[in-house]
Amino acid sequence: GDSVTQMEGPVTLSEEAFLTINCTYTATGYPSLFWYVQYPGEGLQLLLKATKADDKGSNKGFEATYRKETTSFHLEKGSVQVSDSAVYFCALAGGGSNYKLTFGKGTLLTVNP
Amino acid sequence: EPEVTQTPSHQVTQMGQEVILRCVPISNHLYFYWYRQILGQKVEFLVSFYNNEISEKSEIFDDQFSVERPDGSNFTLKIRSTKLEDSAMYFCASSPSSLLDTQYFGPGTRLTVL
Repeated sequence: GDSVTQMEGPVTLSEEAFLTINCTYTATGYPSLFWYVQYPGEGLQLLLKATKADDKGSNKGFEATYRKETTSFHLEKGSVQVSDSAVYFCALAGGGSNYKLTFGKGTLLTVNP
Repeated sequence: EPEVTQTPSHQVTQMGQEVILRCVPISNHLYFYWYRQILGQKVEFLVSFYNNEISEKSEIFDDQFSVERPDGSNFTLKIRSTKLEDSAMYFCASSPSSLLDTQYFGPGTRLTVL
């Protein structure tokens, strides 16, 4: 079945550091790929998405490129802020299912001033 | 901005009791979902619901679980006889008309079964 593997945390960075959170997937068909973020005490919010190979999703300085050849969707940000501290989830939809999201385990990011 | 809401935020129950978790999806959305996250584990899909019927369900969603849209605004998840292993954060989500569209999540209900 479909699956998502993402870098386990926690990840601790200083403000303005470069961030990469790795995500790879296994899916049948052609899934859409997502990054969701969960701030403390809140629900999951869509951060960015890509629906086909070579698409780049971007939002709030975060980027991720859908790489079909390496089945990856790594999240990057050039300069993190304290306010980026949250849990980040990589997810896919489609593949073998038209309805459900399949999530990775989540990566806790803490950014220190 | 419209958002998905869930109540209660935290529910504590005794093993064997029935619980109902409530969600109010975004008003013009047509697809509704429940997910759960056991502490330290992945967010797992439970069920999707469209046009007043289940579209897809996971192996987790056995006969103990049911979903209902009792009126035009609420979407509920019922667990008939809770087990210790049902303790988790339960997330409701909704999406607009098309399949594979972005799902919008509520803040979750933390269920603790004692």
